[in-house]
Amino acid sequence: GEKVEQHESTLSVREGDSAVINCTYTDTASSYFPWYKQEAGKSLHFVIDIRSNVDRKQSQRLTVLLDKKAKRFSLHITATQPEDSAIYFCAASLASSSFSKLVFGQGTSLSVVP
Amino acid sequence: ETAVFQTPNYHVTQVGNEVSFNCKQTLGHDTMYWYKQDSKKLLKIMFSYNNKQLIVNETVPRRFSPQSSDKAHLNLRIKSVEPEDSAVYLCASSFGTKNTLYFGAGTRLSVL
Repeated sequence: GEKVEQHESTLSVREGDSAVINCTYTDTASSYFPWYKQEAGKSLHFVIDIRSNVDRKQSQRLTVLLDKKAKRFSLHITATQPEDSAIYFCAASLASSSFSKLVFGQGTSLSVVP
Repeated sequence: ETAVFQTPNYHVTQVGNEVSFNCKQTLGHDTMYWYKQDSKKLLKIMFSYNNKQLIVNETVPRRFSPQSSDKAHLNLRIKSVEPEDSAVYLCASSFGTKNTLYFGAGTRLSVL
């Protein structure tokens, strides 16, 4: 089955700098790649996603890049702020006609230091 | 804005006891999920229901059983808890099976 790996378990950046979190996946049929954020003591909430028909998607300070050949996708956060500090989870799923379940990476703990 | 409600927030119990967790969503979604998040924050899907029908049943011990009375409710029962069941159980919902998941706040289970 699908496996999703997050390469950085922890990441620390200075406020105002950019942060990049990288993920790889194994199943070439995967076509939906969301990112979720979990702040300390809270649940997950959706931040951004990308589907395999595009290789880039931007939403304000967040950009997701998808490299289908390398089976790699990444989350780029520009102008980081302390409130960006959280655990970020990437995920992947198939987009077949039947149900597709999300497989999550292990999470990357991002710390934005003032 | 919270729209996926889980109860209880915390539950402490002893090995061998039975526990039940409740989840309700008010988003009008037709698909609901149970995920387990362990102490290392790893997330694994356990079950999923679409329109009250079980569509995903991962390899979880048989002591776990989901229960869905309607599209808005998905409960989880653990018949005889084991120490390794200590975790946060996250309920989620989505519209359809390929869209954004909305998570509840979670139920933290501690098994002594």
